[in-house]
Amino acid sequence: QVQLVQSGAEVKKPGASVKVSCKASGYTFTSYDINWVRQATGQGLEWMGWMNPNSGNTGYAQKFQGRVTMTRNTSISTAYMELSSLRSEDTAVYYCARVGSRGSGYFGYWGQGTLVTVSS
Amino acid sequence: EIVLTQSPGTLSLSPGERATLSCRASQSVSSSYLAWYQQKPGQAPRLLIYGASSRATGIPDRFSGSGSGTDFTLTISRLEPEDFAVYYCQQYGSSPVFTFGPGTKVDIK
Repeated sequence: QVQLVQSGAEVKKPGASVKVSCKASGYTFTSYDINWVRQATGQGLEWMGWMNPNSGNTGYAQKFQGRVTMTRNTSISTAYMELSSLRSEDTAVYYCARVGSRGSGYFGYWGQGTLVTVSS
Repeated sequence: EIVLTQSPGTLSLSPGERATLSCRASQSVSSSYLAWYQQKPGQAPRLLIYGASSRATGIPDRFSGSGSGTDFTLTISRLEPEDFAVYYCQQYGSSPVFTFGPGTKVDIK
């Protein structure tokens, strides 16, 4: 069965960077895009960007351009999302999500989420 | 960027009642690339509907989606206790830029 397992909670200081991992299993990692979505406490879902694990091509929401980098290591079926220049407003749960079918943009499978807390 | 608006913000209903949730887009969503998700506290979202009206695997048939263009609806025919949650719509027609609506909370009256 498809599983996405994310790394554990992080606490960072303002100005620092955080890198969250998302290990995929149960399918061919390079066949389906991975997206990242975040959710501040009590707030809605916010799409951050996508990555094609086969080519490494990425696309980011304008809001995060210049601060976010999505990468992958195909040998261990793991995707990464790094967010830099952290500020308190970046405190949120970060989810990786796999598209439901090739070439689609709906998210059929989600990781369990990683809480990132930005605090001095 | 396509902006999605969901209404109502909160829907207070009793088990067994019918729930009708609306999602409106600021411009036409191409090919009805509209999805619905359910999220319960402390959990990741779960896909319910994609392509505006196709149920995801394992989703009960009391959930149905309809609509096209700029107006979409999620209907829960008879609310079960486990259906009280927050529901989000998402458009993926303007690939590769995706957006979510702000959500509708369905709570127990």
